[in-house]
Amino acid sequence: DIVVTQSPDSLAVSLGERATINCKSSQSLLYSSDNKNYLAWYQQKPGQPPKLLIYWASARQTGVPDRFSGSGSGTDFTLTISSLQAEDVAVYYCQQYYSTPRTFGRGTRVEVK
Amino acid sequence: QVQVVESGGGVVQPGRSLRLSCVASGFTFSSYGMHWVRQAPGKGLEWVAAIWHDATNKYYADSVKGRFIISRDNSKNTLYLQLNSLRAEDTALYYCAREDESVMDVWGRGTTVTVSS
Repeated sequence: DIVVTQSPDSLAVSLGERATINCKSSQSLLYSSDNKNYLAWYQQKPGQPPKLLIYWASARQTGVPDRFSGSGSGTDFTLTISSLQAEDVAVYYCQQYYSTPRTFGRGTRVEVK
Repeated sequence: QVQVVESGGGVVQPGRSLRLSCVASGFTFSSYGMHWVRQAPGKGLEWVAAIWHDATNKYYADSVKGRFIISRDNSKNTLYLQLNSLRAEDTALYYCAREDESVMDVWGRGTTVTVSS
């Protein structure tokens, strides 16, 4: 199974500042046949289901604000919130969909400092 | 609008069974693979099972293999998860999610399963 490791477990960022979350997989998520990284990012607010933010490591889902961006390739990926807003307080998960079982990171809790 | 709605959760004793349902609307259900993902209280997300759009292939997490069965009825736009031989560690909020281009893009609000004597 592919292990997905997120860091940090939590972070506190001032409003308007940048938040960066890292995700590392135990094997490459880059599929050679299509040159795509099979990595997604989800946001989960309290009492709500997960919401897809980013797929193919860097493609923003429709309706997601452009302050959210994903980067990386192979085994190392990053989710960046360029200017934290109060409504961004949530737990963020990365997930690999390169192979089954699909595996999630343990989540990163983002709070306002 | 595009949505999926789970139901069927409840409180059940260890060793008993339960069937969860997920009704889809707003999209052509028979064209999409579907997943079940669960979240234990205060914990992270755990993928449980997946099924192809035509049910020709099914996949399970090792933690539920041999106990849970995923199925679908495309004529009813409904996904199912049969939970057998339930254990305390199966206690969780169970989400249904649609798969589009390999990624889970539409999620329901979940249904809660509590396994307790």
